[in-house]
Amino acid sequence: QVQMVQSGAEVREPGASVKVSCKASGHTFTDYYFHWVRQAPGQGLEWMGWINFYNGDSDSVQKFQDRVTMTRDTSINTVYMELSSLGSDDTAVYYCAGELGGSYFFDYWGQGTLVIVSS
Amino acid sequence: QSALTQPASVSGSPGQSITISCTGTNSDVGSHDLVSWYQQHPGKVPELIIYEGSKWPSGVSNRHSGSKSGNTASLTISGLQAEDEADYYCCSRTRAGTFVFGSGTKVTVL
Repeated sequence: QVQMVQSGAEVREPGASVKVSCKASGHTFTDYYFHWVRQAPGQGLEWMGWINFYNGDSDSVQKFQDRVTMTRDTSINTVYMELSSLGSDDTAVYYCAGELGGSYFFDYWGQGTLVIVSS
Repeated sequence: QSALTQPASVSGSPGQSITISCTGTNSDVGSHDLVSWYQQHPGKVPELIIYEGSKWPSGVSNRHSGSKSGNTASLTISGLQAEDEADYYCCSRTRAGTFVFGSGTKVTVL
């Protein structure tokens, strides 16, 4: 049974950075991509980017390319998403989601991490 | 990239069928058969209900069915039940290798 457990809620001031973790278990993840999806309060899902768990390659939508860093630690089956220069519109629940490489759908999701940006 | 276009809301009575559309471009929806659909109940994590346009993950109700024509994908829910009341999102890979979600549709069971 695959499980993806994310780190807890965070509160940051505008201009700061936040790093969210997602620990996966129950499978061998070398053939997985991990995606980051966010959802602002009352809004829809927004895809941010992915990281290849095997080699660490990553890509993101242009909107976030200057502010998002995705990394992974294969020794503990954990991926990270760091978002910098936070603004109030970054207040959202951030989800990690797993994709078996080349399947192009997200069959496993973390529970979500609420990030609040407020002064 | 802009979100795929979905109707904001769709409603139906129990037992009826409803269809949710998801319109993109030939750079995303129209370029392949890789649209997936997700159901999200309030306060819950999204759940995959359709992948590769029309396939069901194991354990998912076959009352949900997917199709595509040109740049528009569709999700049909047959035999509408109270438990189907949720938000639904389509998602497509793009030619550039990124992904884009639909704007989301709130389904109400009357």
